[in-house]
Amino acid sequence: QKEVEQNSGPLSVPEGAIASLNCTYSDRGSQSFFWYRQYSGKSPELIMFIYSNGDKEDGRFTAQLNKASQYVSLLIRDSQPSDSATYLCATSAGGTSYGKLTFGQGTILTVHP
Amino acid sequence: DADVTQTPRNRITKTGKRIMLECSQTKGHDRMYWYRQDPGLGLRLIYYSFDVKDINKGEISDGYSVSRQAQAKFSLSLESAIPNQTALYFCATRGAGNTIYFGEGSWLTVV
Repeated sequence: QKEVEQNSGPLSVPEGAIASLNCTYSDRGSQSFFWYRQYSGKSPELIMFIYSNGDKEDGRFTAQLNKASQYVSLLIRDSQPSDSATYLCATSAGGTSYGKLTFGQGTILTVHP
Repeated sequence: DADVTQTPRNRITKTGKRIMLECSQTKGHDRMYWYRQDPGLGLRLIYYSFDVKDINKGEISDGYSVSRQAQAKFSLSLESAIPNQTALYFCATRGAGNTIYFGEGSWLTVV
């Protein structure tokens, strides 16, 4: 089992809809959780990070964390065609693992007009 | 100018050849990383360095070596390239916060 698992996708949503991206992780020592967006052939760019259980909102993006269930999600409201990309979930543990990110395999999102 | 610069951006090399990918950063960060990306597999950590004297293997270090020549420079070498090392390689840095800065990537094809 992969340490970080994302819903396989690809995910296709109409413009204006909510896109829901999911991620589970196996390492209970994970302390920080990240969502990256990656356009084809480009480097990943950070969208959000979250540490605490609950929701964190930033504009059209909401990250949700449930440590008991080892589950992280990203909701994109009012999806736009420009949101079409691969979304990468990543986790980071503390201690000597600080700074190391473990990535999921990514979910391809397509927002169609 | 990019904060994290990778060279070369694209390289085609033959099986058995030695190839070096170079990374330099202007962020002043201590932590530097090399990741490899293959379709459907996300990014996988090859090596990481927390300072010039601290270099650590990641999850897929076999067939790779690294050199941290200075705080700003972290090079990845393939001593004898093989076709399954064909991938997109990213260098990254991280400072005290949570933001990781990625380079633009280096496409490597081994034929």
